Amino acid sequence: EPEVTQTPSHQVTQMGQEVILRCVPISNHLYFYWYRQILGQKVEFLVSFYNNEISEKSEIFDDQFSVERPDGSNFTLKIRSTKLEDSAMYFCAGRASYNSPLHFGNGTRLTVT
Amino acid sequence: SQELEQSPQSLIVQEGKNLTINCTSSKTLYGLYWYKQKYGEGLIFLMMLQKGGEEKSHEKITAKLDEKKQQSSLHITASQPSHAGIYLCGAGRRAGGTSYGKLTFGQGTILTVHP
Repeated sequence: EPEVTQTPSHQVTQMGQEVILRCVPISNHLYFYWYRQILGQKVEFLVSFYNNEISEKSEIFDDQFSVERPDGSNFTLKIRSTKLEDSAMYFCAGRASYNSPLHFGNGTRLTVT
Repeated sequence: SQELEQSPQSLIVQEGKNLTINCTSSKTLYGLYWYKQKYGEGLIFLMMLQKGGEEKSHEKITAKLDEKKQQSSLHITASQPSHAGIYLCGAGRRAGGTSYGKLTFGQGTILTVHP
């Protein structure tokens, strides 16, 4: 069964550095999302992406964050200047249509030191 | 904004026992998702409920949506150690019949099944 694939599984970075988290969605997915989960907290929505543009973003998704799908397959989340509080598990998700199930990847654990 | 409260927060059962996890919303539920998560891993999709009164089953897991109570329940029959994990409910928003992927999640219910 096809899966949403995320790389790397774990990323350690120093505060102030840029990181790029990568996701390969399932091929028939048209809607893409990033969520995050800070340790011990709820899974929270960051951003949704459709037709090569952001359709919605949360207040967490400030100017330090950006998303793109440069080659029609990989979907990336960039954090320009990481902060300690960005440490979390980041999940990519996708769906084929607006009312079909949301499928998540296994996540990238980001640790900012 | 919508809040989802899950109960219980944790549950320890003996293998073979039935159990129920509830998810209560502070606002009207339009679409409700159930996921299972193993610690430190991704969310595995279990079921999606889109209409009041809807009930779905997959293997030994049944989920129901009660729109009037703004609540969903997840029931596991004859639990097994493989059912252990964190169960999360997530609610979507619907307008004009369209469901969006911006989900609000509950805090999760940790299920332990002793053999």
